[in-house]
Amino acid sequence: KAGVTQTPRYLIKTRGQQVTLSCSPISGHRSVSWYQQTPGQGLQFLFEYFSETQRNKGNFPGRFSGRQFSNSRSEMNVSTLELGDSALYLCASSLVTMGARGNSPLHFGNGTRLTVT
Amino acid sequence: GEDVEQSLFLSVREGDSSVINCTYTDSSSTYLYWYKQEPGAGLQLLTYIFSNMDMKQDQRLTVLLNKKDKHLSLRIADTQTGDSAIYFCAEPPSGGSYIPTFGRGTSLIVHP
Repeated sequence: KAGVTQTPRYLIKTRGQQVTLSCSPISGHRSVSWYQQTPGQGLQFLFEYFSETQRNKGNFPGRFSGRQFSNSRSEMNVSTLELGDSALYLCASSLVTMGARGNSPLHFGNGTRLTVT
Repeated sequence: GEDVEQSLFLSVREGDSSVINCTYTDSSSTYLYWYKQEPGAGLQLLTYIFSNMDMKQDQRLTVLLNKKDKHLSLRIADTQTGDSAIYFCAEPPSGGSYIPTFGRGTSLIVHP
């Protein structure tokens, strides 16, 4: 079974631009989560989707948005990029079911490394 | 969970044992997880322990759980340079959340 796939692996953008990152979950997984990882702040939760619905949102500004498609694939978008948005963005999928809090572990992709100059 | 705490760094010599510690807050957690992140990669599920267990052993890995103190540890026997990575402990969602709570990760550095 293929793992979580994130594209692109690396991205360089300039301040003020916008960016879209893509995530394909493991087949059969309907929950997709996004995290931002930086050396200073560690792993920060962005949002989680299940069946195209955002169920949880982290403490990030409105410039960060996401969506999930009917095939469970997900995208996240960052508009008006700032230098501080440089980070590794990780996507994770899970076999959690509707309504369940879920003890199913997250399965992570290898991330997209975003550099903002 | 509210806060999962780990020390940030651990340095050991190759061949020694490594012990990475974690404290968690949610006493109702049914599972607790350990993830490993190698340089340039995402987090990989390393092992997990059910809350009704005190210990779980898997080859060089031993997980110890002290529910009374809400303390979890990961012991790596005969640590190798390939074990150098960041190790995260995590507890499953609780309350109104659908997402697990991760610690900040412990960077394990193995010296030859």
